[in-house]
Order: sequence, then C-alpha cells, then structure tokens
Amino acid sequence: EPEVTQTPSHQVTQMGQEVILRCVPISNHLYFYWYRQILGQKVEFLVSFYNNEISEKSEIFDDQFSVERPDGSNFTLKIRSTKLEDSAMYFCASSEGPANEKLFFGSGTQLSVL
Amino acid sequence: AQRVTQPEKLLSVFKGAPVELKCNYSYSGSPELFWYVQYSRQRLQLLLRHISRESIKGFTADLNKGETSFHLKKPFAQEEDSAMYYCALSSVGSYQLTFGKGTKLSVIP
Repeated sequence: EPEVTQTPSHQVTQMGQEVILRCVPISNHLYFYWYRQILGQKVEFLVSFYNNEISEKSEIFDDQFSVERPDGSNFTLKIRSTKLEDSAMYFCASSEGPANEKLFFGSGTQLSVL
Repeated sequence: AQRVTQPEKLLSVFKGAPVELKCNYSYSGSPELFWYVQYSRQRLQLLLRHISRESIKGFTADLNKGETSFHLKKPFAQEEDSAMYYCALSSVGSYQLTFGKGTKLSVIP
C-alpha cells in the first residue's frame, strides 16, 4: 500500500532557529495536511492545502508557520523562529478528498526545541 | 466550537472480553465521526467511519445523535487490538479533523 513519507524522523534545533519538515504525500492525493501532537495532548490540526493554496488553518498556524509544495511531490512545513512550545510530533497526512475522506498519515517528525 | 471527548485514558480488558471505547462529541451541526488507531510503532490509520457503517477487525461504532456519542465496540477483544484509539470529528465544509485525546487499550492475555 502506498505510504506518506516524512523526513527527518527526529529533528533537534535551538530556539529561534528555522526548521523545515518534509513530507512526500501519496502521489494521486489532492489534499495535504499538517497535524501536531504535543506530548500527552491531543492530535491538533494545523493546516490543510489544496490546489496549491491553504484551504484552512487553525489558530496555532500563525505567521511563524508556512507550507509549500515546491515541486509537485514534496510538501513542507516551515517554522521560521522556533519556540520551546513548538516541541511536538508533527504529522503529515494526505487524502484523495477533503477531511471526511480517509486520511493517510505519515509516521511523524519528532521536533525538539532546546 | 467542536469538541471530542474520550473519557478513558487507559482501558484494560482480558482477552475474549467485550470492549467499549467511549467517545462523545460536541457539535451543533451534522458531524462525520471517525475512529483512528495507532498500533505500537506504527502510523495513525483509519479504523472506521460512521458514514460507511462497516465493521473493521470486528469493531463497530454507531452514531447516536441523541446522546452525541460514537462509542467503539468489539464483542471479543484480541491481544492484537492493543493500541491507541482516537475518536475524531469532521464538520461539513471543513478540511480539519478534531481529535479526542485518545484511549490506550490494553488487552491482557
């Protein structure tokens, strides 16, 4: 079965640094998402992306965050100036249709901000 | 605002016993409800959704709009059912899923 691929699996960074988390969605999917899970808390929606633009974003997704699909296969999440509270597991997901369709999740990137 | 509540953080049952993982939601419109599962060292994956009305791996869930619940049930638990289970809600016209905090199911041999 095709899978969503995320790299790296772990990322350690200093507070204030920029990080880019990478994802390769399933090739025929049209909708792309980023979610995050802070340790011990809920999986939280960050952003959805469709037709090369953001279709929906949460309050968490402020000006420090951005997403891009630079080359038709990769889907990236950039955090410009990381804060301690950005430490979390970040999940990429993709689907053929919107969120009421089956989401396929990646295995996640554990981001640790020191 | 929509919210999903899973009141049990951890549920332990013996193999062969019935399982019920509780999920309640808060949403004023007509929701779509899902159960996602994460087995140890595996990725989050869809188990079932209410719109399909299907049974996956022996699990079923019925949407009860009166009680705003979507409990997950299985008549006879198996050891391989041990995992983290997340209830999630999607609203019409929205791209996002709202997750509950999850329930860790442990099936004791």
